[in-house]
Amino acid sequence: DAGITQSPRHKVTETGTPVTLRCHQTENHRYMYWYRQDPGHGLRLIHYSYGVKDTDKGEVSDGYSVSRSKTEDFLLTLESATSSQTSVYFCAISQLAGGNNEQFFGPGTRLTVL
Amino acid sequence: QQQVKQSPQSLIVQKGGISIINCAYENTAFDYFPWYQQFPGKGPALLIAIRPDVSEKKEGRFTISFNKSAKQFSLHIMDSQPGDSATYFCAASTRPGYALNFGKGTSLLVTP
Repeated sequence: DAGITQSPRHKVTETGTPVTLRCHQTENHRYMYWYRQDPGHGLRLIHYSYGVKDTDKGEVSDGYSVSRSKTEDFLLTLESATSSQTSVYFCAISQLAGGNNEQFFGPGTRLTVL
Repeated sequence: QQQVKQSPQSLIVQKGGISIINCAYENTAFDYFPWYQQFPGKGPALLIAIRPDVSEKKEGRFTISFNKSAKQFSLHIMDSQPGDSATYFCAASTRPGYALNFGKGTSLLVTP
């Protein structure tokens, strides 16, 4: 998984609680992304980062926030978890080798919100 | 709004056959088109990718065909094997560093 770890790998939480997912990379890649994967929707971008403290919203950012204080870590926070945020969350990294946007994905975090 | 449309949703192919998955897009600013392979419980893995300045790219049994005028691209898996059974996603992005826009995926089953 290209030097990408995600924690936790599985989490069950209750509606209304805050949740933080962590993505850690050892590749020193500049770009990091958070996607969610849901049946029938493929992967959809939540937020991404193009450098330390530089982040931007994706297609499905409502209810999520992110932070990147170090190159290697990208945190995704669900401010108040809802059942609609039950999903599998993937982190990805990219270094734009040769101008190509090759993104490498982590193993995922399965989140269940009851 | 899905920016990349993928078909079919599922596909069954016999061992040794050719698997073909198609994708279409509207945004002419897209300039990078990768295909990802995903096994159950794993993250997507980059399989092969193409830029719009070439019409075909081949890596082993996997080939991307790209038709810029039709705004379509496809993945061909030659001599399909049971180990190829997985979900395949096409994607597209604009400028380097920008996020990928994914198709909804195709579940491929290769029967022995």
